[in-house]
Amino acid sequence: EDQVTQSPEALRLQEGESSSLNCSYTVSGLRGLFWYRQDPGKGPEFLFTLYSAGEEKEKERLKATLTKKESFLHITAPKPEDSATYLCAASSGSRLTFGEGTQLTVNP
Amino acid sequence: DGGITQSPKYLFRKEGQNVTLSCEQNLNHDAMYWYRQDPGQGLRLIYYSQIVNDFQKGDIAEGYSVSREKKESFPLTVTSAQKNPTAFYLCASSIGRLAGTLAKNIQYFGAGTRLSVL
Repeated sequence: EDQVTQSPEALRLQEGESSSLNCSYTVSGLRGLFWYRQDPGKGPEFLFTLYSAGEEKEKERLKATLTKKESFLHITAPKPEDSATYLCAASSGSRLTFGEGTQLTVNP
Repeated sequence: DGGITQSPKYLFRKEGQNVTLSCEQNLNHDAMYWYRQDPGQGLRLIYYSQIVNDFQKGDIAEGYSVSREKKESFPLTVTSAQKNPTAFYLCASSIGRLAGTLAKNIQYFGAGTRLSVL
């Protein structure tokens, strides 16, 4: 059974304070590792997909990396508008298995 | 604009009542999905459909039903057999497994429907 675990559950940062979110996964034959951003009361917004260990992708202050067992979402010099829940999901086929998310709060 | 439209945004269900949540997409995607989101539990898959007139149960299908008569539409019915329906319901779509691209599994989501019990 595919499993995805995210840590920490919640993270509070000061504006400009860089940090990382972790996503550990156990899937039989990874076909993609996905990161989404979700604002309160809204649907998840697609950020990145990674397919093989060593792959990295960047978008503004966010950078996602992938190893054989986990993925990291690095946030550099975050701003208050980066506050959201970040969801990680893994695919071993046509389905995605989601983690429970990390709720990020960035204080000004 | 291409996207996924869910309606209504808020829905209330009375005891013993069936309610239907609408999901329409104009992305020309083959695959569509329904998820349920409860606080602290992430997204759980209810049903999914890879192609018109075909669908499969997800991890928590009991008390729910779906149909896929058109490529663009994938309505979800929450039946009276679902004893704890209060949740945030999310519909998603993806290009589909038959597509010759690594991006075929990327799922795009609608804005959600919040269902509550009266």
